[in-house]
Amino acid sequence: DVKVTQSSRYLVKRTGEKVFLECVQDMDHENMFWYRQDPGLGLRLIYFSYDVKMKEKGDIPEGYSVSREKKERFSLILESASTNQTSMYLCASLLGSALPDYGYTFGSGTRLTVV
Amino acid sequence: DQQVKQNSPSLSVQEGRISILNCDYTNSMFDYFLWYKKYPAEGPTFLISISSIKDKNEDGRFTVFLNKSAKHLSLHIVPSQPGDSAVYFCAASPPTPLVFGKGTRLSVIA
Repeated sequence: DVKVTQSSRYLVKRTGEKVFLECVQDMDHENMFWYRQDPGLGLRLIYFSYDVKMKEKGDIPEGYSVSREKKERFSLILESASTNQTSMYLCASLLGSALPDYGYTFGSGTRLTVV
Repeated sequence: DQQVKQNSPSLSVQEGRISILNCDYTNSMFDYFLWYKKYPAEGPTFLISISSIKDKNEDGRFTVFLNKSAKHLSLHIVPSQPGDSAVYFCAASPPTPLVFGKGTRLSVIA
């Protein structure tokens, strides 16, 4: 089974800090995604990547950047954390362009609180 | 502009009864649909999917129905169990990335 690991389950950061959220997958998947989940707003796509060093903006990229230096790792960076970035952050991966029956594999999520 | 809509933010059902979660879509290019289940503090997990060439797919207590002419799908859970209490997301493809609805919180009351 593919495993998607998010390094932290819970994080508390101060306003203005630079925050790194790490995601690692162990099955050589080309595609990786970062979402945030907020009550009433569902899953919103922040950034995604189709390959190493490639990145694409999702629906809500403002205030975020990403890094994909190695295939297995996709990092989400909050350049200067703000309280409205308090959320559940979810990483997902996908092998190729063809969607398998089960869609994405998600990590367990990082619950980030910015104070 | 929401392409995948889950118009009921929440649903409460008694244990043992049927739960019906609905999802509407606007893009006629969508040809594959998935349902994910999410517990608090965990990532979404795949539940069931359906291709547009079918109108029904069943897996145990879970059945998804697709009505292409109405651009509507529904997830039926029978019988509902307390462990089914979670947020359910509908998703559609193509494209990749998947397009998700906003979710429906299901509460199954014992």
